[in-house]
Amino acid sequence: QQQVKQSPQSLIVQKGGISIINCAYENTAFDYFPWYQQFPGKGPALLIAIRPDVSEKKEGRFTISFNKSAKQFSLHIMDSQPGDSATYFCAAKGGSEKLVFGKGTKLTVNP
Amino acid sequence: DAGITQSPRYKITETGRQVTLMCHQTWSHSYMFWYRQDLGHGLRLIYYSAAADITDKGEVPDGYVVSRSKTENFPLTLESATRSQTSVYFCASRDTGRGGDTQYFGPGTRLTVL
Repeated sequence: QQQVKQSPQSLIVQKGGISIINCAYENTAFDYFPWYQQFPGKGPALLIAIRPDVSEKKEGRFTISFNKSAKQFSLHIMDSQPGDSATYFCAAKGGSEKLVFGKGTKLTVNP
Repeated sequence: DAGITQSPRYKITETGRQVTLMCHQTWSHSYMFWYRQDLGHGLRLIYYSAAADITDKGEVPDGYVVSRSKTENFPLTLESATRSQTSVYFCASRDTGRGGDTQYFGPGTRLTVL
């Protein structure tokens, strides 16, 4: 079964620190790797996404690093802020319309 | 307002009752999806639809029924609700234009089955 393994389950970071969330996958047919951000009581929303033709993508304080040979990708949040406190999901898609999600990481950024 | 809406936002029902969760999108997106979110499991796909009258199973379809007679609506029915179906349900839609892969999620329906 297609899986995306996400770690850690929870993460506590001080304001201004770097938050790092990791994901690993097995299916080499995956060709689209998004990260979704979810605030309490809301639906997930796309944060940033990457395709395997690049090893890194940056949007503001958020960066995806992608290692195709290791089948791993990670989200880095620079200068983490209390407003970044949310649950983050990695996901992967390829070969079908189904988006496979990791189990999520609850990020808490302390002021 | 344009977007994707779900109703009801909260629902309490009893075991064995039929429940229908509604999803409506105003973008005319081709694809629509139903997920359930449970602690420790993340988001799991229940059913999805590529267009009106075309539906397919996801990871956890048992106990659920979907239909899509119109592009903008994608209702999810629990024919005989069970306690294990207590969850938060999210509907999503995706456009196929311009190679986009982004799924846009609704606000969710919190369902409690007693």
